[in-house]
Amino acid sequence: QVQLEESGPGLVKPSETLSLTCTVSGGPISDYRWTWIRQPPGTGLEWIGYLYYTGNTNYNPSLKSRVTMSVDTSKNQFSLKLNSVTAADTAVYYCARAKDSSAWTHFDYWGQGTLVTVSS
Amino acid sequence: QSALTQPASVSGSPGQSITISCTGTSSDVGGYKYVSWYQQHPGKAPKLMIYDVRNRPSGVSNRFSGSKSGNTASLTISGLQAEDEAEYYCSSYTSRSTLLFGGGTKLTVL
Repeated sequence: QVQLEESGPGLVKPSETLSLTCTVSGGPISDYRWTWIRQPPGTGLEWIGYLYYTGNTNYNPSLKSRVTMSVDTSKNQFSLKLNSVTAADTAVYYCARAKDSSAWTHFDYWGQGTLVTVSS
Repeated sequence: QSALTQPASVSGSPGQSITISCTGTSSDVGGYKYVSWYQQHPGKAPKLMIYDVRNRPSGVSNRFSGSKSGNTASLTISGLQAEDEAEYYCSSYTSRSTLLFGGGTKLTVL
């Protein structure tokens, strides 16, 4: 059974960089696209972007200038960095796996989510 | 890009059927077969219920079905059960090679 777990600081100061890691267990990180999705408190979901195990990425244009995703296949982990954060970046951040190796538009395995608060 | 449009709330009694709509444009919902639906209970991660407009993942009840007409996709839940009470989100692939979510619909089982 594939499991995903997000980890990283729960509090980030404005203008600094948010850094999260997703650790994948129970299955290989190769052959799938891995996605970050966030959900501000009390509101809906926002797709941040995805990366392929080869390192290829695709980011939400609204966040593209501030987002970097990377993968470490040796550790079965992938990461998200979001720089110059503001209070608007406060959200629960989820990592997820695309259901099929040939597609990336739907996600069958999700982490439990981690709340990141941007505040001084 | 603006979120896909979903009703804020829908409700139904146990045993009834309800439908949740998800309206976009020809650049997203109307242009592609890549519409998905997720169920989210409070404090939990979303769960994939429907993908590629009408396909159900293994383990999802056949009471859940999806369809699309023009720029509007729909999720129908038949035989409503108390456990179906949750927030539901649609998503769609877009012409910009991105993914767009709906604003979410709160389903209340009366």
